[in-house]
Amino acid sequence: AQKVTQAQTEISVVEKEDVTLDCVYETRDTTYYLFWYKQPPSGELVFLIRRNSFDEQNEISGRYSWNFQKSTSSFNFTITASQVVDSAVYFCALSAGANSKLTFGKGITLSVRP
Amino acid sequence: ETGVTQTPRHLVMGMTNKKSLKCEQHLGHNAMYWYKQSAKKPLELMFVYNFKEQTENNSVPSRFSPECPNSSHLFLHLHTLQPEDSALYLCASSQGWAGTGTDTQYFGPGTRLTVL
Repeated sequence: AQKVTQAQTEISVVEKEDVTLDCVYETRDTTYYLFWYKQPPSGELVFLIRRNSFDEQNEISGRYSWNFQKSTSSFNFTITASQVVDSAVYFCALSAGANSKLTFGKGITLSVRP
Repeated sequence: ETGVTQTPRHLVMGMTNKKSLKCEQHLGHNAMYWYKQSAKKPLELMFVYNFKEQTENNSVPSRFSPECPNSSHLFLHLHTLQPEDSALYLCASSQGWAGTGTDTQYFGPGTRLTVL
C-alpha cells in the first residue's frame, strides 16, 4: 500500500521568507512517481512537478525547488522569497507500481502575509 | 478553451433533485477522472475512465452515476444526494492508460456542490 504524509497542516510566513513544505512517502515498489500540486482558493489543482524514483536530482524552477531523498523517503518543496500569491494548499502525491492510482497527502495550507 | 473545464462552478441542490456535472478536457487525453474533496479529508478518487471505458469505481454510491460519451467529455449525474455529499468535485485528465504512474493528471477548477 502507498502512503503520503504531510505532517505540517498549516504554515504562516511573512512575505519574502523562505518556506519548506515536507512530504514523506511510503511504498514497497521500486518504481514510483512523486508529484506536487498547488490548490489556490479558486479550487483548481495546479500541477507543479513530477519526479520518478530513478531521478534523485534536485530541481529548481524559479523560486521553487524540490529536494528528493530516497534514503529518507522524502520529497520536500521549498519556496524561496515567498509571495502573497503563493498562499494556497499544497499537496504531495505518489503513484507506484503498475496501474496504480495517485495517493494524495492531506495537504499543507500555506499563508503568506504581506 | 484550454486545459480542463468544469461546469457549473457552483451548484446548490435539494436532496430530491437531479443534476449533472460536466467536465471537458482540451488536451487530447484519453483518461479522465472524478475526485471528491471534502473539508478536512484527502482527495478521494471516485471513477476512472480510459478510452471511454470505466476502469475504476471506488465503491461510490449509486446516487452518483458517471458517463463518458467520448474521451473529451465526462459527466457526473447526481440524484437523491445527501447533505454529506456536499464537497468540491474535481475532474482530471491524463494522457494514456490511467494509473500507470507515468502520466501527469491535470485538474479542472472543480464544482462546489452544496446539498440542502
